[in-house]
Amino acid sequence: DAGVIQSPRHEVTEMGQEVTLRCKPISGHNSLFWYRQTMMRGLELLIYFNNNVPIDDSGMPEDRFSAKMPNASFSTLKIQPSEPRDSAVYFCASSPRGNTEAFFGQGTRLTVV
Amino acid sequence: AQSVAQPEDQVNVAEGNPLTVKCTYSVSGNPYLFWYVQYPNRGLQFLLKYITGDNLVKGSYGFEAEFNKSQTSFHLKKPSALVSDSALYFCAVRDMGNTGKLIFGQGTTLQVKP
Repeated sequence: DAGVIQSPRHEVTEMGQEVTLRCKPISGHNSLFWYRQTMMRGLELLIYFNNNVPIDDSGMPEDRFSAKMPNASFSTLKIQPSEPRDSAVYFCASSPRGNTEAFFGQGTRLTVV
Repeated sequence: AQSVAQPEDQVNVAEGNPLTVKCTYSVSGNPYLFWYVQYPNRGLQFLLKYITGDNLVKGSYGFEAEFNKSQTSFHLKKPSALVSDSALYFCAVRDMGNTGKLIFGQGTTLQVKP
């Protein structure tokens, strides 16, 4: 398996633009996590899906952020409109059934100017 | 609510010496505990986990961790540090039997000097 695949790897956008980050989890995994990593706040859990259903989105910072998982093999994290303070590395991770360890993608480095 | 604390922002150790990276946790039920490592510009890599059983668990690259229920700790250890172990280390706890959320500590930078 190729592991968790995130795209794009790097994204530079202007303030106010819409940004969509994509994630393909490992086949057969039923849990998917979106995290944001910054120097100031470390690694924050934004949202967690189980069997394609959002279980906990309490970490989503505000209404500008939304996430979807239309099927077991794809998820998106959208920011609209983007702001400079959204600049961070966004990670997607997936895990198989049974509350075991999660496997991380390489991340998307987002820069909003 | 579940939480993880890594009390040290940075740990410095000389190559060949033993290392310890500290972690304490809080969770309502029985914890699933994990350690991950992150190298610059990379994603997090799984090192080891505690689910149940022996309190001392062994993982990748010679790392091990000791689960202590009374102290709610899960410290990462290695008998002899290598310069190549220098990286950012994260402790994590998963809320077993409840939501399944995976929460990370703030991370500890390990610097191993030759």
